[in-house]
Amino acid sequence: AQKITQTQPGMFVQEKEAVTLDCTYDTSDPSYGLFWYKQPSSGEMIFLIYQGSYDQQNATEGRYSLNFQKARKSANLVISASQLGDSAMYFCAMREGLHTGGFKTIFGAGTRLFVKA
Amino acid sequence: DGGITQSPKYLFRKEGQNVTLSCEQNLNHDAMYWYRQDPGQGLRLIYYSQIVNDFQKGDIAEGYSVSREKKESFPLTVTSAQKNPTAFYLCASSIPLGAGSSYNEQFFGPGTRLTVL
Repeated sequence: AQKITQTQPGMFVQEKEAVTLDCTYDTSDPSYGLFWYKQPSSGEMIFLIYQGSYDQQNATEGRYSLNFQKARKSANLVISASQLGDSAMYFCAMREGLHTGGFKTIFGAGTRLFVKA
Repeated sequence: DGGITQSPKYLFRKEGQNVTLSCEQNLNHDAMYWYRQDPGQGLRLIYYSQIVNDFQKGDIAEGYSVSREKKESFPLTVTSAQKNPTAFYLCASSIPLGAGSSYNEQFFGPGTRLTVL
């Protein structure tokens, strides 16, 4: 069964507008972390934002925020004021067993974001 | 500057040949990982290592081998047993999590694109 699901293969957004990239996950572990990474066409993976399962508040990092809805098991990434340089693949990922030394990170299939001028 | 280097950036291999991909980090991280990415897909874990002289299989280890003789280095060998090795390979490293510690993200190298001729 898929543990990380990203249902949007591709998304378009107008420059300067906000966009939400969806991510749902499946785990029975109470201790887990959720990550978002950006992958430009060059191929490197760039860490954007993190949300821990015990965190009370939604994570924010500059123009990135994570809409964490624990009961729904969703961790959507919100990018505000989109820029042309935001055009890239975006991956949602999860690591279980966070407080017991869990090492394995599971990645979703990704969403390709296109920012239009 | 601290970071992860992978070499070469592009690699071509003839069928039946073994080939080794290099990954070096100077971040003083204990944990290192190898991922495979196929076009339009997310990352899949091949092998990971928590400490020197120790490593574990990931989800798709068949046809691959690794070694971890030094903290800084985690080379991946793609053997002739790997039936479809053409892919983008990413190496990553992280500080291992301890009980009660907060998250840590994985830092990725620039990747190696392997093509079998």
